[in-house]
Amino acid sequence: AQSVAQPEDQVNVAEGNPLTVKCTYSVSGNPYLFWYVQYPNRGLQFLLKYITGDNLVKGSYGFEAEFNKSQTSFHLKKPSALVSDSALYFCAVRDRGGSNYQLIWGAGTKLIIKP
Amino acid sequence: DTEVTQTPKHLVMGMTNKKSLKCEQHMGHRAMYWYKQKAKKPPELMFVYSYEKLSINESVPSRFSPECPNSSLLNLHLHALQPEDSALYLCASSHPTGDSGNTIYFGEGSWLTVV
Repeated sequence: AQSVAQPEDQVNVAEGNPLTVKCTYSVSGNPYLFWYVQYPNRGLQFLLKYITGDNLVKGSYGFEAEFNKSQTSFHLKKPSALVSDSALYFCAVRDRGGSNYQLIWGAGTKLIIKP
Repeated sequence: DTEVTQTPKHLVMGMTNKKSLKCEQHMGHRAMYWYKQKAKKPPELMFVYSYEKLSINESVPSRFSPECPNSSLLNLHLHALQPEDSALYLCASSHPTGDSGNTIYFGEGSWLTVV
């Protein structure tokens, strides 16, 4: 079965330190990979995606993610965390050979940045 | 700021009421979606319209009735809901086709409480 794992329910980082939010997937073939962020009481905002090409993808708000095919991972990173980065982060995957409309979602990781 | 606009932001309705959620997008997308999201959980796909035709219905109870009047508008009609239907309802849109890892863009959501 296809799945996406975000192994950490919560990640705590001090402001100014680098942050990593982990995502691994189990999807046949070469998937499209996405990260979304949800601030409290808000909708989901698209951060970045991997389609093809360079394994390091840069996105909004200084975030980047690295696609690692051998480890089937797509970890979200930021060199220096801000308190305003505190939010719920979702990793999502779409099977290239499947529906254009359906995403497989991870369970989400709550990121807390402490001043 | 999101280019998918949802109204109302908050809705409280009784179990015998009929109400509607509305969504509008101005990105020229021809696929529109309804998702349901419970607190701190990933969104669950309910319906997808592609070129104004219902493409996916994820076995949603008939008390939820979607409507796509035109390529920019999407409604969700609600009738005889149950308290467990209380959730954040997210509208989204994307390009429907193409090998581009079509990004799904979300609105801010409508918070529904069924009493």
